[in-house]
Amino acid sequence: DVKVTQSSRYLVKRTGEKVFLECVQDMDHENMFWYRQDPGLGLRLIYFSYDVKMKEKGDIPEGYSVSREKKERFSLILESASTNQTSMYLCASSRTGNQPQHFGDGTRLSIL
Amino acid sequence: GQQVMQIPQYQHVQEGEDFTTYCNSSTTLSNIQWYKQRPGGHPVFLIQLVKSGEVKKQKRLTFQFGEAKKNSSLHITATQTTDVGTYFCAGRTGGYNKLIFGAGTRLAVHP
Repeated sequence: DVKVTQSSRYLVKRTGEKVFLECVQDMDHENMFWYRQDPGLGLRLIYFSYDVKMKEKGDIPEGYSVSREKKERFSLILESASTNQTSMYLCASSRTGNQPQHFGDGTRLSIL
Repeated sequence: GQQVMQIPQYQHVQEGEDFTTYCNSSTTLSNIQWYKQRPGGHPVFLIQLVKSGEVKKQKRLTFQFGEAKKNSSLHITATQTTDVGTYFCAGRTGGYNKLIFGAGTRLAVHP
């Protein structure tokens, strides 16, 4: 079974801090994704990666960056956290572009 | 930009009643996927539809993809309390890797 692991379930940070969210998948998947989930808005794509060191902007990349140095790991970085980045962050992976996405349990991030 | 609209946002049913959620895209989709997210959980893949007019069934769940490949629906017959959760559709266009998710329909089932 595919396992997507996010480093933290809950995280509290302060405005202006640099925040790192880590995601690891164990199935050698090519594609990895970062979403944020807010009530009434569904899942919105922040960034995705289809290969090591490759990244593509999603629909809401402003204020975020990503890193994929190894195939199994995809990191989301909030360069200078702001209160409007308080949200649930979900990482996902898929074998290829058309395959189902497998999600981690999410990180609920609060920015104070 | 491309959008996938999903309605209703919320549905409350009595156990045993039927339930349907609808998705509409502003553009033609190459395929559409459906996910279920239980309360406190993460989205879990249910099914993918690819062909125009396709209908697929999983026990009490029936999934349809419209003829024009711009809309889709999920119908649950005789809901049970285990059906509780949020159902998301997610559409894909062309050869891009990314999915566009609908806002989801939250289903509450009362015994």
